[in-house]
Amino acid sequence: EVQLVESGGGLVQPGGSLRLSCAASGFTFSSYSMNWVRQAPGKGLEWVSYISSSSSTIYYADSVKGRFTISRDNAKNSLYLQMNSLRDEDTAVYYCARDMPNAFDIWGQGTMVTVSS
Amino acid sequence: QSALTQPASVSGSPGQSITISCTGTSSDVGSYNLVSWYQQHPGKAPKLMIYEGSKRPSGVSNRFSGSKSGNTASLTISGLQAEDEADYYCCSYAGSRRDVFGTGTKVTVL
Repeated sequence: EVQLVESGGGLVQPGGSLRLSCAASGFTFSSYSMNWVRQAPGKGLEWVSYISSSSSTIYYADSVKGRFTISRDNAKNSLYLQMNSLRDEDTAVYYCARDMPNAFDIWGQGTMVTVSS
Repeated sequence: QSALTQPASVSGSPGQSITISCTGTSSDVGSYNLVSWYQQHPGKAPKLMIYEGSKRPSGVSNRFSGSKSGNTASLTISGLQAEDEADYYCCSYAGSRRDVFGTGTKVTVL
């Protein structure tokens, strides 16, 4: 079964850091680009970051540029999101999503990140 | 990175057809035939319904169809069913900005 499972969410204070992980299974992870997409409570979806299959191309939304770092380990079938200098507005469910390409065809169940003092 | 504009809500009776619009700019929707649509039920992850403007993934009902004219993409749901009640989001490739989502539309089946 094709599956993505996120982990690493939790409660963190403003200015703090958190590292999210996404474990992939059921497909050849190294052949696909991947993304992080987030959704603030009661709000819409927001694309956060993209990484190509070989990690050679990376993009970030302006809202997280300079604070978040996307990476992957193809040997471990894993995607990561290092989040630094967290702000209240980063509070959201974070989803990892497989790039079809140009569409997100497989989504994880999401992991909740709460930034609060 | 401004979000694409969708109506906040659309409703219809069972069996009817509804259309959700998604308005962008010449930098995103208007420049690429790479609009996708997602269905999201409460508390669940989004599900891909349409990609590349009008293509349906395997397993998605042919009651869902997509189109585009200029800077506006549309999702039509025909033969509306109770299970179609959900939030729907469009998304467009936007070049160097990669991807931008729409504001979301709540579909209510009356």
